[in-house]
Amino acid sequence: AQSVTQLDSQVPVFEEAPVELRCNYSSSVSVYLFWYVQYPNQGLQLLLKYLSGSTLVKGINGFEAEFNKSQTSFHLRKPSVHISDTAEYFCAVSERTGRRALTFGSGTRLQVQP
Amino acid sequence: DTAVSQTPKYLVTQMGNDKSIKCEQNLGHDTMYWYKQDSKKFLKIMFSYNNKELIINETVPNRFSPKSPDKAHLNLHINSLELGDSAVYFCASSPGPEGSIFGPGTRLTVL
Repeated sequence: AQSVTQLDSQVPVFEEAPVELRCNYSSSVSVYLFWYVQYPNQGLQLLLKYLSGSTLVKGINGFEAEFNKSQTSFHLRKPSVHISDTAEYFCAVSERTGRRALTFGSGTRLQVQP
Repeated sequence: DTAVSQTPKYLVTQMGNDKSIKCEQNLGHDTMYWYKQDSKKFLKIMFSYNNKELIINETVPNRFSPKSPDKAHLNLHINSLELGDSAVYFCASSPGPEGSIFGPGTRLTVL
């Protein structure tokens, strides 16, 4: 079984400031890692994913994340946020073999202020 | 162009009624899912089908019954609706472990 912890339920930040959204996971098997974004009243959009290879992955909208196996973390970062980045961000994992369903964290609300 | 579509987008109904939500994907993916997002935004897997075969059935009341008539469709039927069923239900599909594509969601409100 897997679990995903997003320690920050809300992160307020000023426009053009950098941001980091934290994600830690626990699993008895090897996993793939994902970040999804949910804009208000919309579905989930895949931001980026780590399947293998380089531990630094780049996604859409200028976001990137780094996989740290020893710390079982997959933190999401952006060097300069925009008002339009205001949304709910979800970290998720799925098993490398076996069930592909996603296990989600509880989400982090990123609130970008002018 | 829509990859994963769901109907209806909004569903308002009375307690005790039976309702269905439909999902279709035109991506040729083998696996489809239903997720539930509760009022606190928490997302949890409900069911998963692979090539019309049920492979994941989480601890969901048996009032919920998924049906996959073919690889491109996965419907969700809910009997005897309860207040606690109010949530947003998301359909998703995936070709493999590369991550899922989600539909726009169906907001179910039970009065």
